[in-house]
Order: sequence, then C-alpha cells, then structure tokens
Amino acid sequence: AQKITQTQPGMFVQEKEAVTLDCTYDTSDQSYGLFWYKQPSSGEMIFLIYQGSYDEQNATEGRYSLNFQKARKSANLVISASQLGDSAMYFCAMREGSGGTSYGKLTFGQGTILTVHP
Amino acid sequence: GAVVSQHPSWVICKSGTSVKIECRSLDFQATTMFWYRQFPKQSLMLMATSNEGSKATYEQGVEKDKFLINHASLTLSTLTVTSAHPEDSSFYICSARAREATYNEQFFGPGTRLTVL
Repeated sequence: AQKITQTQPGMFVQEKEAVTLDCTYDTSDQSYGLFWYKQPSSGEMIFLIYQGSYDEQNATEGRYSLNFQKARKSANLVISASQLGDSAMYFCAMREGSGGTSYGKLTFGQGTILTVHP
Repeated sequence: GAVVSQHPSWVICKSGTSVKIECRSLDFQATTMFWYRQFPKQSLMLMATSNEGSKATYEQGVEKDKFLINHASLTLSTLTVTSAHPEDSSFYICSARAREATYNEQFFGPGTRLTVL
C-alpha cells in the first residue's frame, strides 16, 4: 500500500494565484515527520517545509504553508502568490519512527508537476 | 546551510562497465547517508541506507552485489554500479543526515545522471 499519495500528476495555476498540492499519508507510527520538496528541471531537491506529527500549529515558511489535518492524514502544501519560478515537480515525503540506524529515511509520493502560467 | 556534493554530475558508460558515484558532506559530519534512484518523471525510490563504518542496509528488491555502497568516513559515501546495463540508466541522488540532526534532517546532493549505452 502506498504510504504517501499525491493524486495530482499535474497542476496549473495563474501567476500570483494560490495553489494547493494534495498529499495523504498512511502510517501507524505516532511520531513521524512530513516534508515537502521542490525539484526543478535541474534535479536538485529543495527543502520547502516540515511538519512534525506532534506540532499543533500548521507550518509556514514564507509563501509556503502546510495544511496539516492529522485525523484525515493529509498534509497539503499551499503556495500563495505563485511565481513563474515555482514551476517544478513537488514531492511530499514522510519520515517514520524516532530512532534506529535507518532513522531519517524518507518515503516519497509520486510527485505533482506544477506549471505556473503568466 | 549544509552542503552535499556529488561527483560526477553526469556520466555515460558502456554496458558491462562499473561506475562509481561519490557523495560528500562538505561542512558537516554525516552519520547516515541515503541513496535514492529516480527514473524520469517518477518519484525518488530509496535504494539503501549507509551508516559510517558499517554495512549498508538495502531496501527490498535492490541487489546489493550490483549496487555496492561504502561509507568509509563521516563525510564520504560511494555508490558503485557494477556491470552497468541500460536499465540502470537513471538519476542517482544521495542525501546526508548530520550527526546533530534537527528536524530538517537530510541534505540532498545535486544528483548524478547515469546513462548506460
């Protein structure tokens, strides 16, 4: 079963508009972390935002915010005031557990290609 | 911020040859490094986890004899693709976890694009 699901293969948004990228997850761990990364065509992975399972407030980082709904197991990324440079692949990822030699490994979703139109 | 480098950034090789990819943490000590593979327009799939001074832990379905991982120091891990074949052509990305990791635990390298002819 998929641990991280991104159901939107592609999304389009007009410049300066807001866009929401969906992510749902599945885990039986109480302690976990959720990440969003941006991957432009160059291939580098750019960290955007993090939400811990025990964090009560939704994470925000500049134009990025994470809509964390724990009961629904969703962690949607909201990008406000989209810019042309936001066009890229976006990945949701989860880190499970709280220790061990493999601690820190990430499971990624399928990704969403975001295209920002002028 | 923490910097992870990969070398080479791209490589083309003939089928049957071996290719070594290096992953270095430049300004921090990495107790754990992760190796991912990504096919075009697909997700990153974890291949293996390497801890300094111990054998790598491979994910299910990854051939450990084909993808040799060595983590000899706290700043260097290498992935060797042995007897590479065209189906091994992919984008290989490493990430490193710092000794004193905060929640943002992984720093990714820029990736290595491997093409096997």
